[in-house]
Amino acid sequence: DAKTTQPPSMDCAEGRAANLPCNHSTISGNEYVYWYRQIHSQGPQYIIHGLKNNETNEMASLIITEDRKSSTLILPHATLRDTAVYYCIVITVAGAGSYQLTFGKGTKLSVIP
Amino acid sequence: NAGVTQTPKFQVLKTGQSMTLQCAQDMNHEYMSWYRQDPGMGLRLIHYSVGAGITDQGEVPNGYNVSRSTTEDFPLRLLSAAPSQTSVYFCASSPRTWRSTDTQYFGPGTRLTVL
Repeated sequence: DAKTTQPPSMDCAEGRAANLPCNHSTISGNEYVYWYRQIHSQGPQYIIHGLKNNETNEMASLIITEDRKSSTLILPHATLRDTAVYYCIVITVAGAGSYQLTFGKGTKLSVIP
Repeated sequence: NAGVTQTPKFQVLKTGQSMTLQCAQDMNHEYMSWYRQDPGMGLRLIHYSVGAGITDQGEVPNGYNVSRSTTEDFPLRLLSAAPSQTSVYFCASSPRTWRSTDTQYFGPGTRLTVL
């Protein structure tokens, strides 16, 4: 699996955009970048994913560099409920349609009032 | 839909005891998996299943057994509990496509303590 590197923690003021970086310099051409988050004591929650193009949904935007070696998750207007650990994951397809998610330690985002 | 459900929410075991963590989903998902999460760590994959009757090992399978007799259920069995298995256990499921880019839906977790 391609490995990812994320800063261990970040702060963001409430109402401002939160930009969470992720490096995945060994990513393969057919591997997707996924973002999940885990609010304290809960199960992880899917946020967004992408392959090459930038993506946007109701929760966030995902910006992937042209060389695909890094990406940024953007929460446009962070709220206190966005305080969580954010995981950047690269998915490897392991034959016959099966796959595994490899979670690193993620980035702990603290949204400050 | 109830989504992914896990029981029990909390469990305390003594070393050497056995037990089964239950996981069920009502979304007709083919892919199910079990993760464990230790303090300050990310999630680590224990076992996974791509459909009824098919299971495979993940990153940390030792000490755990699984079976998948139905699409809905994917129980995780601890054969002889050890303190090193104290952790939070998450079950997840997702639809299975050949492109395998479907999102995974996680259950609320089971907090297990082994004394």
